[in-house]
Amino acid sequence: RKEVEQDPGPFNVPEGATVAFNCTYSNSASQSFFWYRQDCRKEPKLLMSVYSSGNEDGRFTAQLNRASQYISLLIRDSKLSDSATYLCVVNFPTGGGNKLTFGTGTQLKVEL
Amino acid sequence: NAGVTQTPKFQVLKTGQSMTLQCAQDMNHEYMSWYRQDPGMGLRLIHYSVGAGITDQGEVPNGYNVSRSTTEDFPLRLLSAAPSQTSVYFCASSPGQIYGYTFGSGTRLTVV
Repeated sequence: RKEVEQDPGPFNVPEGATVAFNCTYSNSASQSFFWYRQDCRKEPKLLMSVYSSGNEDGRFTAQLNRASQYISLLIRDSKLSDSATYLCVVNFPTGGGNKLTFGTGTQLKVEL
Repeated sequence: NAGVTQTPKFQVLKTGQSMTLQCAQDMNHEYMSWYRQDPGMGLRLIHYSVGAGITDQGEVPNGYNVSRSTTEDFPLRLLSAAPSQTSVYFCASSPGQIYGYTFGSGTRLTVV
């Protein structure tokens, strides 16, 4: 089983739609969770951290379910500019440092 | 404030050559990491560091060396380049375990 798993997509949605991505992780001791956005041939950029109680940043909402070991990202009122690959990232404890493990990403295409 | 700076942006090497990918950050971050990104594989951790003088191996360390003599710099050395090392390399830094990473813009390496 992969440490972090995501549906690769692509998710093709019309502008204005609501879209949700899920991500599962294997290590129940994981402590920190993030969503990153990556545009084609660019570096990943931190979109938002994911907190236990869930958190929202404008049109974006992140949720964490520790019991089922998954995190989710909800995007409301999708914009053309939201088209990108969304990476689920989990911090696995190593005893020595901060090792982030990345999912392979979910591709989102927002269309007119 | 430049963030994370990687050089060079592009590089072509012949099999067997060695080279160093440079990474520098000006945010006084303790944690730094090197990742490689290949199609369909996601980002994979090569080496990481939790502070000056401290480094450890990630998921795919073979063929690479690192050192961390200062907080700012974290170079990645390819000892004897192989075609399998053709990839996009990202350096990233973080202030601590609960925080996400800031990425450099990447180095696109081709080994022929």
